[in-house]
Amino acid sequence: EAGVTQSPTHLIKTRGQQATLRCSPISGHTSVYWYQQALGLGLQFLLWYDEGEERNRGNFPPRFSGRQFPNYSSELNVNALELEDSALYLCASRYRGPNTEAFFGQGTRLTVV
Amino acid sequence: QQPVQSPQAVILREGEDAVINCSSSKALYSVHWYRQKHGEAPVFLMILLKGGEQKGHEKISASFNEKKQQSSLYLTASQLSYSGTYFCGTGGGADGLTFGKGTHLIIQP
Repeated sequence: EAGVTQSPTHLIKTRGQQATLRCSPISGHTSVYWYQQALGLGLQFLLWYDEGEERNRGNFPPRFSGRQFPNYSSELNVNALELEDSALYLCASRYRGPNTEAFFGQGTRLTVV
Repeated sequence: QQPVQSPQAVILREGEDAVINCSSSKALYSVHWYRQKHGEAPVFLMILLKGGEQKGHEKISASFNEKKQQSSLYLTASQLSYSGTYFCGTGGGADGLTFGKGTHLIIQP
């Protein structure tokens, strides 16, 4: 069974540009989560999508946005990139519900220069 | 709101025990535990649910105090392979799944 896949693995952008990160969940999983992992800050919750809708978002500015497609894959967009957006962005998928484990992708390393 | 983990870091000798704590200011539906090794994705360890149900690794134990909104992960007779960063996650309700800042565990031979 294929795991959660993220693309690209690495992304280098210039300050002010836009970045698009992609995530394909495990087959059958309807929930997709996005997290930002910057050094020393743990897993900061960004966005949660389920059944094509945004269910919740973390404490991030509106320039962080995304969507979930009918096949449950998801896209994270970061506009007007800032240097502090440099981080590892992790995607996780799970079946919806409190007793289901999440499976993480390997992440996209975003570097803003 | 992020759950709070303690301690932030632990250094142990192989064979020693460790306890990692997780607390939340909000009522908990479930507590999730994950481990992340350097350069790798976080990996699921265990879920604890209200009512005492658990699901996860046989070799790892944890507790969940619903009234105190706390959970603890117990690592006994630690092995070198236990090294990594441990995250507790809370959620399952309308908020989704949010994680604490992590506890760094270093096991020395």
